[in-house]
Amino acid sequence: GESVGLHLPTLSVQEGDNSIINCAYSNSASDYFIWYKQESGKGPQFIIDIRSNMDKRQGQRVTVLLNKTVKHLSLQIAATQPGDSAVYFCAENMGRTDKLIFGTGTRLQVFP
Amino acid sequence: KAGVTQTPRYLIKTRGQQVTLSCSPISGHRSVSWYQQTPGQGLQFLFEYFSETQRNKGNFPGRFSGRQFSNSRSEMNVSTLELGDSALYLCASSSVGGAAEKLFFGSGTQLSVL
Repeated sequence: GESVGLHLPTLSVQEGDNSIINCAYSNSASDYFIWYKQESGKGPQFIIDIRSNMDKRQGQRVTVLLNKTVKHLSLQIAATQPGDSAVYFCAENMGRTDKLIFGTGTRLQVFP
Repeated sequence: KAGVTQTPRYLIKTRGQQVTLSCSPISGHRSVSWYQQTPGQGLQFLFEYFSETQRNKGNFPGRFSGRQFSNSRSEMNVSTLELGDSALYLCASSSVGGAAEKLFFGSGTQLSVL
């Protein structure tokens, strides 16, 4: 079926620590993956994306890792800040279709 | 450049009524996608429009429909509202749409069905 799952529904980290949010995707034919951040009352905001011909991609304080062997995606946030508190979604273009399928989300809580 | 604009921001309707939501994509973007988001769920894909044609459709009943105008603005309609239709409806645009392109989301329309 069409599904992208997240291992941890809630992740609590201390300010300044690194955060790792994990995601399992279901379709081995998917070739594009993307992470979004959604703050309360707002629409999802693009963080970073990666294509299947890459294993790693870095942005500003964020890194996405793709392991196609086990169909696993992760988002690493360095030096987590209170402003990073939000729900994070991964998504895949299910089997190279024209639609992005989203996971259920992981809530990241940052405490001082 | 202005972002994706959705109106209205909030709506309250009663069961059996119908509702129309509006979305203005980023200038120059030709693809508009609609998603439904409910508490505890991920974003559920409704449909995608490109050049006034529905290009993709999710697994929602026929009560959910949409359209796109020549200026790329889009509307979605839900008829015969049910309590379970209460959700945040999100619109997203991209330049040409397709499998490998990021979406830019609006802030959504919060629909409450009483």
